[in-house]
Amino acid sequence: DAGVIQSPRHEVTEMGQEVTLRCKPISGHDYLFWYRQTMMRGLELLIYFNNNVPIDDSGMPEDRFSAKMPNASFSTLKIQPSEPRDSAVYFCASSLLPLGGARSETQYFGPGTRLLVL
Amino acid sequence: AQTVTQSQPEMSVQEAETVTLSCTYDTSENNYYLFWYKQPPSRQMILVIRQEAYKQQNATENRFSVNFQKAAKSFSLKISDSQLGDTAMYFCVIQGAQKLVFGQGTRLTINP
Repeated sequence: DAGVIQSPRHEVTEMGQEVTLRCKPISGHDYLFWYRQTMMRGLELLIYFNNNVPIDDSGMPEDRFSAKMPNASFSTLKIQPSEPRDSAVYFCASSLLPLGGARSETQYFGPGTRLLVL
Repeated sequence: AQTVTQSQPEMSVQEAETVTLSCTYDTSENNYYLFWYKQPPSRQMILVIRQEAYKQQNATENRFSVNFQKAAKSFSLKISDSQLGDTAMYFCVIQGAQKLVFGQGTRLTINP
């Protein structure tokens, strides 16, 4: 299995530009998660999907962020317009079961997209 | 709001030694879960151990055990007989009725 695939691996853009991050989860995984990791705030869960439906988006920082999952094998995280404070590593992860709770299990993370907004 | 604090950014021990990773948290909820996850260089987020807040007994999983002090809001992880494969980033995580909150992580290195 190729694991979770993310693209691009690195993105440098200017403030105000639209940024789209892409993720392909592991085949058969029903849960997909988007995380952001920064030195200041650590690892934050932004949103997660179950069977392509957004379940919890309470971690999405503001309206400039949006995420979609049009099918079981593809998800996007979009930032429009981007700002320098959005600079971070964005991880996508997938799992068979949800994170947390009595049935928590391993999540598989992608390699991350390192975003730099100038 | 829930918060998780891991005060040890990095730790290093020799193989076969015992190591304890610290974690404190804050929450206003009565029912919640606490977890330790490890993230090795492969970038998997692997569940190490889980503790339900309503259970007084400390959870154990083979070489991994926790010291859960609910009143003190402390949740430390002890790794006995450490192995090279334990080298990873370890995250303390709390989950209540709201979203998950991760600690900043502790980078643990096991030296041969």
